[in-house]
Amino acid sequence: EAGVAQSPRYKIIEKRQSVAFWCNPISGHATLYWYQQILGQGPKLLIQFQNNGVVDDSQLPKDRFSAERLKGVDSTLKIQPAKLEDSAVYLCASSGLQGRNSPLHFGNGTRLTVT
Amino acid sequence: ELKVEQNPLFLSMQEGKNYTIYCNYSTTSDRLYWYRQDPGKSLESLFVLLSNGAVKQEGRLMASLDTKARLSTLHITAAVHDLSATYFCAVPFVLGSRLTFGEGTQLTVNP
Repeated sequence: EAGVAQSPRYKIIEKRQSVAFWCNPISGHATLYWYQQILGQGPKLLIQFQNNGVVDDSQLPKDRFSAERLKGVDSTLKIQPAKLEDSAVYLCASSGLQGRNSPLHFGNGTRLTVT
Repeated sequence: ELKVEQNPLFLSMQEGKNYTIYCNYSTTSDRLYWYRQDPGKSLESLFVLLSNGAVKQEGRLMASLDTKARLSTLHITAAVHDLSATYFCAVPFVLGSRLTFGEGTQLTVNP
C-alpha cells in the first residue's frame, strides 16, 4: 500500500511569513494526525482529525496554527505568522483500518526552518 | 498530564552485546507502542503492546509491557550496526488515540 505522502519535504522561511504543509494519508484511513517534532525530542500532537472532524486540537497554538481536512482525505496545516520556535519537522500520520489499537503510519515529514 | 520517560537517552554499545531500554509512563494505560526513527527519516512502527504481560519479538528486538508498574522494556540481543537509530515509546492519552511520545533513546552500535 502507498504510504502517507507529505509535501514539501523542506521549507525555509523568514519569521512572520506564512507557510502551508500538505498531507495525503493512506487510502481508507479515517484518522489523520499532525505532529510537531523539534530536534532531539519526541513528536508532539498538534491536531487529530476523524474523517473531516477535529477530535483533539488541545495542543495546537490556535493563534498562529490552523489545519483543515476537507472531504475527509487530504489535510493542510498552516502557520501564520511563523516564529523562530516553529522550526521543526512536521509529521503527518494516519491510522484506522485496524481500529483504535492500530499503530500510526507516519509520512516522511516536512522540515521547516524559520530564520 | 501524561508523562513518558525513557532511559537511557543515549546509548552507545558494541556489536554483539545485549542491552535494555526502559520506558516509564505516569498514568494508567493498557497499550504502548514502540517506534524506530533513522536520521532524517520518519517513524516506523516496531511493536504494539496491547495488554499487561504482552511480549513481542522481532529479530534482535523484544518488547514487553507491565501495565501495573507502568513500564515497558525494549531488549536488544546481540546488537548489530543496523540497529543504530532512535527508539521512541508512545502511550495513548486516556482512551483516545492521541499518543504521547517519550524523548527517544538514541542508540549507536559500534563495530
